[in-house]
Amino acid sequence: AQSVTQPDIHITVSEGASLELRCNYSYGATPYLFWYVQSPGQGLQLLLKYFSGDTLVQGIKGFEAEFKRSQSSFNLRKPSVHWSDAAEYFCAVGGPGGYQKVTFGTGTKLQVIP
Amino acid sequence: GAGVSQSPSNKVTEKGKDVELRCDPISGHTALYWYRQSLGQGLEFLIYFQGNSAPDKSGLPSDRFSAERTGGSVSTLTIQRTQQEDSAVYLCATVDRGDSGNTIYFGEGSWLTVV
Repeated sequence: AQSVTQPDIHITVSEGASLELRCNYSYGATPYLFWYVQSPGQGLQLLLKYFSGDTLVQGIKGFEAEFKRSQSSFNLRKPSVHWSDAAEYFCAVGGPGGYQKVTFGTGTKLQVIP
Repeated sequence: GAGVSQSPSNKVTEKGKDVELRCDPISGHTALYWYRQSLGQGLEFLIYFQGNSAPDKSGLPSDRFSAERTGGSVSTLTIQRTQQEDSAVYLCATVDRGDSGNTIYFGEGSWLTVV
């Protein structure tokens, strides 16, 4: 069964510092990988996704993620965090062809301090 | 409509009552999910509809939960004999299976409170 692990429940970083949110997945074939962000009181928004090709994926709001098959990881990074990045971040995995269910991790809540 | 529409946006119900939550998907999206997000928890998969295939019900937490999707469009999630632990945000999502892959679009959710 497919699964996603986000080992960090809560992370605090200073504004301007770099950020890395961890995501490990379990999937029996080539995965489709996603990062979503949920700001307070807001719906879920897609940050980026990986299907194939270049393993370093660029997303919106200056985020990027790197797919590492050998480590079953898809960590999210940002070189310089802004206060508006404070939100909850969800990693997700799905199957190819868009005909498999998408499973989400439990989320990582990001706090940004001045 | 332009996005995934869910109703009601908020529902307060008494323990033991039945509730129905509705989802209107984005036109043309053949796949539809229901997820549940409890306070401080992640997204819990409930059920997945894909076209005319049998739905994947593996995430439904008990037989009090059921969902249907009529005509491949509108979906209804029904919770019978609600319990306090059912209090959560119920999120509907549909999928664009275009060339860019299966991007999920979420509705704003239905906030259910069981008192």
